[in-house]
Amino acid sequence: ETGVTQTPRHLVMGMTNKKSLKCEQHLGHNAMYWYKQSAKKPLELMFVYSLEERVENNSVPSRFSPECPNSSHLFLHLHTLQPEDSALYLCASSQDLGRVGSPLHFGNGTRLTVT
Amino acid sequence: EDQVTQSPEALRLQEGESSSLNCSYTVSGLRGLFWYRQDPGKGPEFLFTLYSAGEEKEKERLKATLTKKESFLHITAPKPEDSATYLCAVQNTGNQFYFGTGTSLTVIP
Repeated sequence: ETGVTQTPRHLVMGMTNKKSLKCEQHLGHNAMYWYKQSAKKPLELMFVYSLEERVENNSVPSRFSPECPNSSHLFLHLHTLQPEDSALYLCASSQDLGRVGSPLHFGNGTRLTVT
Repeated sequence: EDQVTQSPEALRLQEGESSSLNCSYTVSGLRGLFWYRQDPGKGPEFLFTLYSAGEEKEKERLKATLTKKESFLHITAPKPEDSATYLCAVQNTGNQFYFGTGTSLTVIP
């Protein structure tokens, strides 16, 4: 496996369910990110981790809970979601947080539908 | 406030018809401007990083240029496989990334 891998690719959940999204990066990067992508809107940063420590929580509701057990893995735990949380959730990694011009490398996302 | 605006929102081209996509930005200290390609159902794929005004980068039929206020992605003689959404993003001195909403490009055979 190379790059950034996200599972599952698709997820349908009810408002009372609990589920988790998983991300794994094989690039040897030190920073990992969760983004939310909704139609007609810019990518919305949710969380940033650098060397397994959370460095940014962008005013995300507590029904989204991230976890970064090591620099290669990132999870997003979901509970009591709302229909407006339906979106494409993208995981990304970068070489180091704050390295000049270091691009984000994205996975293919999890398409989440909340019913 | 840092922000990125992309235009047009959608673009339809005949195969071989060259054109340009625009990315206008305001940023508190530019550390890098990035172009990505996103295919339906997939994540954004990194194309280019530009660091300073006057810089250009090329890859196959794509050429990205940068001024102090905007970047252009020039597509020369596009093919149907170039159809995708192209995203622009900037990184500021606070290491924050700001993305545009993208240009959806369709190349018709």
